[in-house]
Amino acid sequence: ETGVTQTPRHLVMGMTNKKSLKCEQHLGHNAMYWYKQSAKKPLELMFVYSLEERVENNSVPSRFSPECPNSSHLFLHLHTLQPEDSALYLCASSQDPRGGVGANYGYTFGSGTRLTVV
Amino acid sequence: GQQVMQIPQYQHVQEGEDFTTYCNSSTTLSNIQWYKQRPGGHPVFLIQLVKSGEVKKQKRLTFQFGEAKKNSSLHITATQTTDVGTYFCFDKDDKLVFGAGTILRVKS
Repeated sequence: ETGVTQTPRHLVMGMTNKKSLKCEQHLGHNAMYWYKQSAKKPLELMFVYSLEERVENNSVPSRFSPECPNSSHLFLHLHTLQPEDSALYLCASSQDPRGGVGANYGYTFGSGTRLTVV
Repeated sequence: GQQVMQIPQYQHVQEGEDFTTYCNSSTTLSNIQWYKQRPGGHPVFLIQLVKSGEVKKQKRLTFQFGEAKKNSSLHITATQTTDVGTYFCFDKDDKLVFGAGTILRVKS
């Protein structure tokens, strides 16, 4: 257990379905992230939430919709996905979204949700 | 924009041999972090480097940050089968960009 819990671990959904991925962190961190990991591609940042702002990657399609009701919970709502959206979706948290010279601001990742779109 | 390049993409080594992966940037890095992801697992934070020329060690792992803060390296001495996985460098500038990773395979 990493302190960041993601559910479900595996998800198979049709292109017309609506589903949500959930992430919960128990580390007292103030920032949370969604990353997408596809085969043979680098980790892609999708969304960042800190206490002050949501930072969005402009290349993320609108069929992905994040929600962060508080600093401990993060959701990724999925709607009318495409087969190419199949990937491992990783949630992470950290104490500071960026910067922080001299301190440990490493990310703690959850185990991920393996998503297959059929 | 800034791009972090990681080399090599793959490395197969015999158990007991050394291994090094490099992370290079076209611009100055603020901080650099290193992560390891085991096959089927998730990335795990290893270390953060902040200062120019900084060197840190964790048992058989040695991490370096270049003098110009444009490159970093991870060196593993005498690899073991438990070292297999993908090693990522991570640039903590505004783009929060991960390198593509180096996949390490260790033959016993």
